[in-house]
Amino acid sequence: GDSVTQMEGPVTLSEEAFLTINCTYTATGYPSLFWYVQYPGEGLQLLLKATKADDKGSNKGFEATYRKETTSFHLEKGSVQVSDSAVYFCAEKLTFGTGTRLTIIP
Amino acid sequence: DAGVIQSPRHEVTEMGQEVTLRCKPISGHNSLFWYRQTMMRGLELLIYFNNNVPIDDSGMPEDRFSAKMPNASFSTLKIQPSEPRDSAVYFCASRTTGGDEKLFFGSGTQLSVL
Repeated sequence: GDSVTQMEGPVTLSEEAFLTINCTYTATGYPSLFWYVQYPGEGLQLLLKATKADDKGSNKGFEATYRKETTSFHLEKGSVQVSDSAVYFCAEKLTFGTGTRLTIIP
Repeated sequence: DAGVIQSPRHEVTEMGQEVTLRCKPISGHNSLFWYRQTMMRGLELLIYFNNNVPIDDSGMPEDRFSAKMPNASFSTLKIQPSEPRDSAVYFCASRTTGGDEKLFFGSGTQLSVL
């Protein structure tokens, strides 16, 4: 079946550092791709999405580009903040990666 | 909109007891999903419904697990009998079928089976 593989955490960065969390998928065709974020004690919420090749999803300074040639959807942010500390999930349709815990140190 | 509502938020029970988790999807959403989250396995899809009909229950781990959706505004996930390895956070999510595919998640039920 389809699967999503994302960078294993935990990831710890200093405030204002550059962030990349890698994600690759196996589904054929052109599935919609998503990044969700989960804050402590809460459910997942959509961070951004892209629906076709070369689309760039963006929200709250985060970006991810749908790369069909490499079947990837890496999450990036140029300058992280303490408030970005959370668990990030890459997803394709109903299949989720295992999540990457991100901690930002002041 | 109140969002997806799950109850209870926390459930502690003893091995062998029956556990029922409840979910109210967002009004107007006709697809409902049950997920289980554990440290070891991440987020696993257990079952989902379209228009109250179960579509795919291949993720339900054992016959001890069952799910129902008697109407468009309510679903239950039942574990009978419960076992310690069922301890996890169980999430319910909903969305409209077709169109925008993003899921809306509830806050989850933290289940501990002693």
